Amino acid sequence: GIQVEQSPPDLILQEGANSTLRCNFSDSVNNLQWFHQNPWGQLINLFYIPSGTKQNGRLSATTVATERYSLLYISSSQTTDSGVYFCAGVKAAGNKLTFGGGTRVLVKP
Amino acid sequence: KAGVTQTPRYLIKTRGQQVTLSCSPISGHRSVSWYQQTPGQGLQFLFEYFSETQRNKGNFPGRFSGRQFSNSRSEMNVSTLELGDSALYLCASSYDGQPQHFGDGTRLSIL
Repeated sequence: GIQVEQSPPDLILQEGANSTLRCNFSDSVNNLQWFHQNPWGQLINLFYIPSGTKQNGRLSATTVATERYSLLYISSSQTTDSGVYFCAGVKAAGNKLTFGGGTRVLVKP
Repeated sequence: KAGVTQTPRYLIKTRGQQVTLSCSPISGHRSVSWYQQTPGQGLQFLFEYFSETQRNKGNFPGRFSGRQFSNSRSEMNVSTLELGDSALYLCASSYDGQPQHFGDGTRLSIL
């Protein structure tokens, strides 16, 4: 199966700061998603982004499929952005998502 | 449109017992996948069902099983529970080939 590496593992930000999270895949994927897991364990869809760039408010993501990596940008961070961010990909047919280890983000007021 | 619904939200069991978790997908979604999340192993894929058939399976022992009904609702069963089965179990549904949407999970504690 594929391996997914996320960096950095931990990130502490001052409110208002910008940051970039990275996700590397060991092989090409058909489907790539970014999620935010809040302190209550809820896994929230952020982006479905097999390739290209997407933006949603203060968040944006870019996937370079040929180089097997994806980036998640958080701009003007807020305390509500705290939590764990996961990227995950699907290699073959079906919907088996392989997750990275996550980036734990803490935004301080 | 209602999201993915998992029941129960919390469960406490003792070693050796068995447990059944339920997942109702988003209306129209025929694919349902199950994942286990633990602090040590992270998020791991258990299995996927599509149109009542298991389509993919992760590397978990046979004590973990599942099924899907004709209305796409899915159940997951774990028999002979072990302490290491304590975890957050997440269910996801999708319209095939599209993004997966997760439920709020069932937090299972084994005493």
